[in-house]
Amino acid sequence: KAGVTQTPRYLIKTRGQQVTLSCSPISGHRSVSWYQQTPGQGLQFLFEYFSETQRNKGNFPGRFSGRQFSNSRSEMNVSTLELGDSALYLCASSRLAGPGYTQYFGPGTRLTVL
Amino acid sequence: GESVGLHLPTLSVQEGDNSIINCAYSNSASDYFIWYKQESGKGPQFIIDIRSNMDKRQGQRVTVLLNKTVKHLSLQIAATQPGDSAVYFCAETPDPSGGGADGLTFGKGTHLIIQP
Repeated sequence: KAGVTQTPRYLIKTRGQQVTLSCSPISGHRSVSWYQQTPGQGLQFLFEYFSETQRNKGNFPGRFSGRQFSNSRSEMNVSTLELGDSALYLCASSRLAGPGYTQYFGPGTRLTVL
Repeated sequence: GESVGLHLPTLSVQEGDNSIINCAYSNSASDYFIWYKQESGKGPQFIIDIRSNMDKRQGQRVTVLLNKTVKHLSLQIAATQPGDSAVYFCAETPDPSGGGADGLTFGKGTHLIIQP
């Protein structure tokens, strides 16, 4: 079974731009969660989607948004990029909703904001 | 807010020795705990989990111990191998069903270095 895939793997943007990242979950998984990983803050929860609905959201500004499609694929968008948004963005899928179900992570998208 | 933390950012062990990675958490409502391993250039990989109604769980070469009294979690790796070299994260949630707002809360991570 193929793992979680994320595209693109690397991205360079400038301040003020917006970016869209994509995540394809493991086949049959209906929940997708997004995390931001930085050296200073570590891994922080962004949001979780299940059946095309956002179930919960971490403590991030409204510039961070996401959506999930009927095939469970998910995208996250960051608008008006800031230097501090430079991070590894990780997507994780699980069979059902909630962190109690084992989450399988993708390799991440490395975003650099200049 | 509540957080999950690690005692040591780096742990160096000899190949073949046992490794013990520690994690302290502050949320007394934490109910579900997971250990993840992250190798360079990869996403975190699930190792083992434990619920708060248990104090020990064993997997293949790994054991997780939970002490709720002192809010402490540890991961023991037996006969450490070069392939065990990675950053290890503990994570927790008070609500495995995900009804809360936080998803998984991760610790900062311990970098396990294997000496030949």
